[in-house]
Amino acid sequence: QVQLVQSGAEVTKPGASVKVSCKASGYTFTDYFIHWVRQAPGQGLEWMGRINPNSGGTDYAQKFQDRVTMTRDTSIMTAYMELDRLTSDDTAVYYCAREVITPGNVVFDYWGQGTLATVSS
Amino acid sequence: DIQMTQSPSTLSASVGDRVTITCRASQSISTWLAWYQQKPGKAPKLLIYQASSLQSGVPSRFSGSGSGTEFTLTISSLQPDDFASYYCQEYTTQPYTFGQGTKLDI
Repeated sequence: QVQLVQSGAEVTKPGASVKVSCKASGYTFTDYFIHWVRQAPGQGLEWMGRINPNSGGTDYAQKFQDRVTMTRDTSIMTAYMELDRLTSDDTAVYYCAREVITPGNVVFDYWGQGTLATVSS
Repeated sequence: DIQMTQSPSTLSASVGDRVTITCRASQSISTWLAWYQQKPGKAPKLLIYQASSLQSGVPSRFSGSGSGTEFTLTISSLQPDDFASYYCQEYTTQPYTFGQGTKLDI
């Protein structure tokens, strides 16, 4: 069965970076885009960007363009999201999600369990 | 960026009720709209895509409609498992944006 398993909770200081991993199983990793979506405590969902695991190509939301990096390691079917220069506003649950294969539909049929990143001095 | 506005923010209902949640886009998005259900502490679950297509495995009491700028999610007969938060998402152009959510309470 399809699964996305994320790394554990992180506590980081302002100005530091956080790197979250997302290990895929149960499907061909390189056939589906992986997206990253975050959710601040008690807030809604915010799209951060996506990576094509086949090519490594990325698209980032302009809001995060200068401080997010999405990568992948196809040998271990894992995607990564690193966010730099953290502030308290970056405290959130970070989700990875798989994009459906239906052409034109940028929607997400499988999600990781989420990784809480807390930014605190 | 396209702004997505959901209403109401909170909805109180009972088991067996028919409920409707509305999502409005700041510009036309054709039918490029999805709905998700989210329970506390869990990841969102895809319910509807392309405004009205039911995701595999989702009960038929869920339905979606609309096009352009106005969309609805309807639950025909609420079940206890349906009490959750619901989000719409547009996917015409990046950044893909979500509504602020509707919390469905008992």
